[in-house]
Amino acid sequence: DAGITQSPRYKITETGRQVTLMCHQTWSHSYMFWYRQDLGHGLRLIYYSAAADITDKGEVPDGYVVSRSKTENFPLTLESATRSQTSVYFCASRLRTTGYNEQFFGPGTRLTVL
Amino acid sequence: AQSVTQLGSHVSVSEGALVLLRCNYSSSVPPYLFWYVQYPNQGLQLLLKYTTGATLVKGINGFEAEFKKSETSFHLTKPSAHMSDAAEYFCAVSDPDFGNEKLTFGTGTRLTIIP
Repeated sequence: DAGITQSPRYKITETGRQVTLMCHQTWSHSYMFWYRQDLGHGLRLIYYSAAADITDKGEVPDGYVVSRSKTENFPLTLESATRSQTSVYFCASRLRTTGYNEQFFGPGTRLTVL
Repeated sequence: AQSVTQLGSHVSVSEGALVLLRCNYSSSVPPYLFWYVQYPNQGLQLLLKYTTGATLVKGINGFEAEFKKSETSFHLTKPSAHMSDAAEYFCAVSDPDFGNEKLTFGTGTRLTIIP
């Protein structure tokens, strides 16, 4: 049971390049989320998706693009990377249920933009 | 919008001492509340959660937290710290303004255990 995986785990790129971070979950969870983790800010939501073909902006969406053509995949693209996007990126997922909304997290992708 | 405050970005306790990590939230509507733990170079793992019912919630590794509506708090405690508890801890709260779809995280507390 692989759960939720992210690739690559580490990525170094240059300013202006396009980068795509992959997220895959095997639970058929309806919801998927992308967060970035920065010192002093905790986790901040970039985008989330309630189901395939449904996405919505989070707290810090500028400079990022997402898509969700299949339930299990939720790629995050930085169309033109900037140094301020150097961060650790976490993907998460959860079931669509009424009531509580526990999220399960992937291992993270550490992105460095030079 | 919901906000979450974790008092103390760094907390140090001696091995065997009480661990107390503080979390306060802003919503007047009782949300769902979570504590997550993050070990170095790993993702977040759920420690415990409050949804409804008993306000004292027990989680993994001997941690517990108490939901106090009047104080809008959800502090995390453990009676006796172990070296393996060294990690970063995040409080998270659902946002009733968005149907509880999203979580808002605090900025985290790094717990150091002194031998």
